[in-house]
Amino acid sequence: AQSVTQPDIHITVSEGASLELRCNYSYGATPYLFWYVQSPGQGLQLLLKYFSGDTLVQGIKGFEAEFKRSQSSFNLRKPSVHWSDAAEYFCAVRGYSTLTFGKGTMLLVSP
Amino acid sequence: ETGVTQTPRHLVMGMTNKKSLKCEQHLGHNAMYWYKQSAKKPLELMFVYNFKEQTENNSVPSRFSPECPNSSHLFLHLHTLQPEDSALYLCASSQAQGGYTFGSGTRLTVV
Repeated sequence: AQSVTQPDIHITVSEGASLELRCNYSYGATPYLFWYVQSPGQGLQLLLKYFSGDTLVQGIKGFEAEFKRSQSSFNLRKPSVHWSDAAEYFCAVRGYSTLTFGKGTMLLVSP
Repeated sequence: ETGVTQTPRHLVMGMTNKKSLKCEQHLGHNAMYWYKQSAKKPLELMFVYNFKEQTENNSVPSRFSPECPNSSHLFLHLHTLQPEDSALYLCASSQAQGGYTFGSGTRLTVV
C-alpha cells in the first residue's frame, strides 16, 4: 500500500528566507505526487504535481518540488518565503486509485 | 472558487438531529470523495464514488450515509452523530489519475 511521510510537524522560517519541506513516499511503481496547501478553515489547494518527465516541477505561488526516485522523496521548496505562505502543507501520493496524504507540515513565518 | 462547492460552510447539530452536507462540482470530473479532517489527525478518506457508483467505504460508521445521484453531486447524510464526529468535512473530485480538486469544507460541530 502507498504511504507518505512528512517528518516535520512544524517549521518556522523567517520572512524572506528559503524554505524546504520534506516528503518521503512509499509506492511500488512510478507514483503521481502532489503538494497541497491549506489555510485555516479552508479546503486544500493544489500547489503542484508530478506525473512524469522533468523531475523538477514548478507550481503556483513561486513553489517548486523535485522528484528523487533514488531517495523516494518529493521535497517542496521556495527561495523566499512571504508571510502569506503561513499555512499547512500536505504531500500526497496517488497510486492505482485514491490519494494518500501525509500528516502535514505547519509552516510558521516569523517577521 | 475551486469549482467544487460545499454547503453549508458551518453546521451545528445535536446528537439526535438529521442533517445533510452537499457537494457540487461542474468540472466534468467522474470521481467524487468525502474526507474527514479532525484536529491533530491526518486526512481520513471516508467514501469514494466513480461514475456515481460507490467504490470505497473506509469502515465508516453507518451514522454517515453518502449519496451520489449523479456525477456532479454528492451528499453526506448525518444522523445520531457523536461529539467526536465534530470535524471539517471535505469534498473533492477528480478525473482519471489527476489530482483532486477540493471544496472549502463544512465545519461540523456536534453538541
